[in-house]
Amino acid sequence: DTAVSQTPKYLVTQMGNDKSIKCEQNLGHDTMYWYKQDSKKFLKIMFSYNNKELIINETVPNRFSPKSPDKAHLNLHINSLELGDSAVYFCASSHRQGHGYTFGSGTRLTVV
Amino acid sequence: QQQVKQSPQSLIVQKGGISIINCAYENTAFDYFPWYQQFPGKGPALLIAIRPDVSEKKEGRFTISFNKSAKQFSLHIMDSQPGDSATYFCAASGSGANNLFFGTGTRLTVIP
Repeated sequence: DTAVSQTPKYLVTQMGNDKSIKCEQNLGHDTMYWYKQDSKKFLKIMFSYNNKELIINETVPNRFSPKSPDKAHLNLHINSLELGDSAVYFCASSHRQGHGYTFGSGTRLTVV
Repeated sequence: QQQVKQSPQSLIVQKGGISIINCAYENTAFDYFPWYQQFPGKGPALLIAIRPDVSEKKEGRFTISFNKSAKQFSLHIMDSQPGDSATYFCAASGSGANNLFFGTGTRLTVIP
């Protein structure tokens, strides 16, 4: 059973489009995260939700909007995609904030 | 500001050798120090973690050494194997932290 699943795995889209990435975890964790990994492999926190409540909202363009319909799901919607948004986006979850992350396998977003 | 500093950026080791990756932190409130291993196309996976009440933790060929006074910790991979070739991330968080702070990653290549 996949613990943290993200869809889609690959996403190629044109500049200006709007796209969504979905994430689901079946671990019963209370906290979920979105991370962005750039070409240099840096992992940068974007958002964190705890029991559907937004906890962390780093300096991310407001074109990025997370949505957590329940504590098992955290989706990421991106408006007006730009070339610089190209990266791998990872969803993660943890039972306790800041501890014991389980990551999904990532979504490689390519904006052309 | 990088909360956790990691070195080296890349490392090449012969099969059977010892791989050593170092990390340093400033925030004395950190009390949880995990290491993550990431293979190409996959999400980071928790490898081993340590708390500051011990100076060393060993799991198989992987050992974390922790120096609280120097605010440094390191990962040692004994008898390195080609299958260990991956990117390794150190990280840190504190009891009141909302998320993990990741190092910049070390790309390890073990040559046969």
